Amino acid sequence: NAGVTQTPKFRVLKTGQSMTLLCAQDMNHEYMYWYRQDPGMGLRLIHYSVGEGTTAKGEVPDGYNVSRLKKQNFLLGLESAAPSQTSVYFCASIATGTGMSPLHFGNGTRLTVT
Amino acid sequence: KNQVEQSPQSLIILEGKNCTLQCNYTVSPFSNLRWYKQDTGRGPVSLTIMTFSENTKSNGRYTATLDADTKQSSLHITASQLSDSASYICVVSAGQLGGYQKVTFGTGTKLQVIP
Repeated sequence: NAGVTQTPKFRVLKTGQSMTLLCAQDMNHEYMYWYRQDPGMGLRLIHYSVGEGTTAKGEVPDGYNVSRLKKQNFLLGLESAAPSQTSVYFCASIATGTGMSPLHFGNGTRLTVT
Repeated sequence: KNQVEQSPQSLIILEGKNCTLQCNYTVSPFSNLRWYKQDTGRGPVSLTIMTFSENTKSNGRYTATLDADTKQSSLHITASQLSDSASYICVVSAGQLGGYQKVTFGTGTKLQVIP
């Protein structure tokens, strides 16, 4: 099992450009999450999904959109990138939302917006 | 507002020594607490989980403790190895048992083990 795979690993964007980050999991997990990690701050939830075809906003959703057309994939889109979106983005999945299973994380996408 | 605070922010220890990392939380209603290890350039990986009724949980050289009354947890690393160099993140879940959990992450303690 590959677990959670994120692509790309690195990306540099110019302000105003758009891009999509892809997250794929092969564990048949229902719940998937997108987080951003910034220096001196804990992981912050951007958007999440509790199942195929569903999405919901987290604590920092502005400037991002997501889609979960297939159970195994969770896409994060930046329509018009801003320097404030420079961060490391992590995707995670979990079997259920009850908290007794661990979050399984990908290895991150490091995004720089100039 | 749910909060998780960790100390120290960073720590340097000699290989073979022990160390203890601290986590204080204000999360309600408390469900469980996990410690994650995050190697540089990688995603976090779960080390231990403790629920309200558990005081201690071990995973090899890692031992986590929980005091639900004072809302404190610690992660003790015994006989440190160079491979223990990483960030350690305390994560607290809030919510009703069996229901959806809201997760709050600490900012982590960056541990460096030197030869």
